[in-house]
Amino acid sequence: DSGVTQTPKHLITATGQRVTLRCSPRSGDLSVYWYQQSLDQGLQFLIQYYNGEERAKGNILERFSAQQFPDLHSELNLSSLELGDSALYFCASSGKRRSYNEQFFGPGTRLTVL
Amino acid sequence: KNEVEQSPQNLTAQEGEFITINCSYSVGISALHWLQQHPGGGIVSLFMLSSGKKKHGRLIATINIQEKHSSLHITASHPRDSAVYICAVPTGGSEKLVFGKGTKLTVNP
Repeated sequence: DSGVTQTPKHLITATGQRVTLRCSPRSGDLSVYWYQQSLDQGLQFLIQYYNGEERAKGNILERFSAQQFPDLHSELNLSSLELGDSALYFCASSGKRRSYNEQFFGPGTRLTVL
Repeated sequence: KNEVEQSPQNLTAQEGEFITINCSYSVGISALHWLQQHPGGGIVSLFMLSSGKKKHGRLIATINIQEKHSSLHITASHPRDSAVYICAVPTGGSEKLVFGKGTKLTVNP
């Protein structure tokens, strides 16, 4: 158990819908990262937050947005869903600010868009 | 842009064999991550290393920064080691990770 929690574990929805994925980092970790893992693209970095602020951005679509709240949990919002958004979404957390840190991964949310 | 290449893509071994998985990357980095993804999908961080060698149980990770190459070794492999092993490196001077495509390891009893 990494100490990172994600909800829900599974999500099935239809095209055009909007969903919210939630992540709670390990106690004391200030950074949260979101990743997408699809069959054809593998693991890809989406976005990082540090202590409530966006720190780095990757291949995140404009239909997707994220935020980190004062209690440090984070939410990833996916809107106008398409079939291709079906994937595993992981969040990870780490503790320090400006060094390359070990990241602890949550169990993932499996999103299926029908 | 940092490319990460892993080899082999698939690996089948008999229980007890010594396993080596390789990872090469294209630009200078400060650290490299080895991750394990179980058949159920969960990801576990195995190592983060920036030089030399690290050992944890039957797992050993080495890195050669000059040659831009890392290896993950598993000694006395066991069926429970069956998983996908992924290496990842930070890119752009940030903590954004770029991932290899993974090596699927199957250890048969």
